[in-house]
Amino acid sequence: DAKTTQPPSMDCAEGRAANLPCNHSTISGNEYVYWYRQIHSQGPQYIIHGLKNNETNEMASLIITEDRKSSTLILPHATLRDTAVYYCIVRFTITPQGGSEKLVFGKGMKLTVNP
Amino acid sequence: DGGITQSPKYLFRKEGQNVTLSCEQNLNHDAMYWYRQDPGQGLRLIYYSQIVNDFQKGDIAEGYSVSREKKESFPLTVTSAQKNPTAFYLCASTYRGLSTEAFFGQGTRLTVV
Repeated sequence: DAKTTQPPSMDCAEGRAANLPCNHSTISGNEYVYWYRQIHSQGPQYIIHGLKNNETNEMASLIITEDRKSSTLILPHATLRDTAVYYCIVRFTITPQGGSEKLVFGKGMKLTVNP
Repeated sequence: DGGITQSPKYLFRKEGQNVTLSCEQNLNHDAMYWYRQDPGQGLRLIYYSQIVNDFQKGDIAEGYSVSREKKESFPLTVTSAQKNPTAFYLCASTYRGLSTEAFFGQGTRLTVV
């Protein structure tokens, strides 16, 4: 019961920007958008997260639409090492009192960076 | 250094045997999670725990059991009732309550022969 949908795969040329889309049309006002990536046979690695403003760090930029129903992860200059499965998930900003967070990841999207 | 450790990295067992996968974290995280990953598939949630001595079933809990006797530890037992136990197992942890990034271990690849 993932709350996000992503295309199953995407290709990108090395050195070009990779724009990875994610739909989260049922996101609530108190939920963040998080992005992780998993390189083959390793544990997923955190990339970035945001609530409603665009965010940038040393790894990537996150663009969230004004209605918050979709977002795009941007890898500005993709390298071969960026080939991985990328997961977009939503998480509560604060877990409801007495509640628990299930942390569902879904299938993610396979990004292949080609030389 | 703080982190989350899974051991062993590779594990082989005979069919019909129970096997326990270890997950330990020294990040002072409250919540811990177990996931299963099959080839070409995403992460499927097995069990999760928000506090010591409490845990909840995830989406594919059948054939698995867990315990949470200590905050730092969340071992997963794959029982003989699990019909297809061969898979890659990942453990994660995060703070409970306030949303922060989740940290993952490097995984245990279990092969049942």
